[in-house]
Amino acid sequence: KQEVTQIPAALSVPEGENLVLNCSFTDSAIYNLQWFRQDPGKGLTSLLLIQSSQREQTSGRLNASLDKSSGRSTLYIAASQPGDSATYLCAVKGKLSFGAGTTVTVRA
Amino acid sequence: DGGITQSPKYLFRKEGQNVTLSCEQNLNHDAMYWYRQDPGQGLRLIYYSQIVNDFQKGDIAEGYSVSREKKESFPLTVTSAQKNPTAFYLCASSISRATFLNEQFFGPGTRLTVL
Repeated sequence: KQEVTQIPAALSVPEGENLVLNCSFTDSAIYNLQWFRQDPGKGLTSLLLIQSSQREQTSGRLNASLDKSSGRSTLYIAASQPGDSATYLCAVKGKLSFGAGTTVTVRA
Repeated sequence: DGGITQSPKYLFRKEGQNVTLSCEQNLNHDAMYWYRQDPGQGLRLIYYSQIVNDFQKGDIAEGYSVSREKKESFPLTVTSAQKNPTAFYLCASSISRATFLNEQFFGPGTRLTVL
């Protein structure tokens, strides 16, 4: 069974600092991995989808890396802003499994 | 505007009642999904459908039922058999029948509270 872990569960940083969010998974036989953002009481917004054949994917200030052999993905958010405050979840696909998320607070 | 809508946003249910949560999409997506989210946990898959008139159980289907009579609609019924239904319910869709391989898009969610 695929286990997906996101550590830490919560993170607080000052505005302007780069964010590094981690996602670990136990079964490296994945099709792809998707990062989402969730604002309180809202649905999930897709940020990046990284295929199993890719090493990284970029969109604006966001960069996601994938290392299947070590069972890790990292989401980098450059120059954080208070508007980046949210919970970030990763989902690993083969059998779809979600992490519990990392709640980020960016202090102005 | 293309997207996924869920209604109602908040739903209150008395114990022993069945309730139905609505999910509609106008993205022309083949596959649709229902998830449950509890505090401090990842999303868990309840049911999914790859095509009209077909659906499969996810990891926690007990106490739930679905139908897929139209491509656009995938309603979820929470029955009285569901022992702990209070949760945030999320509906999602993806473009093709290669169900879990494609990017998923989510609706805004329905918060169900059992009184």
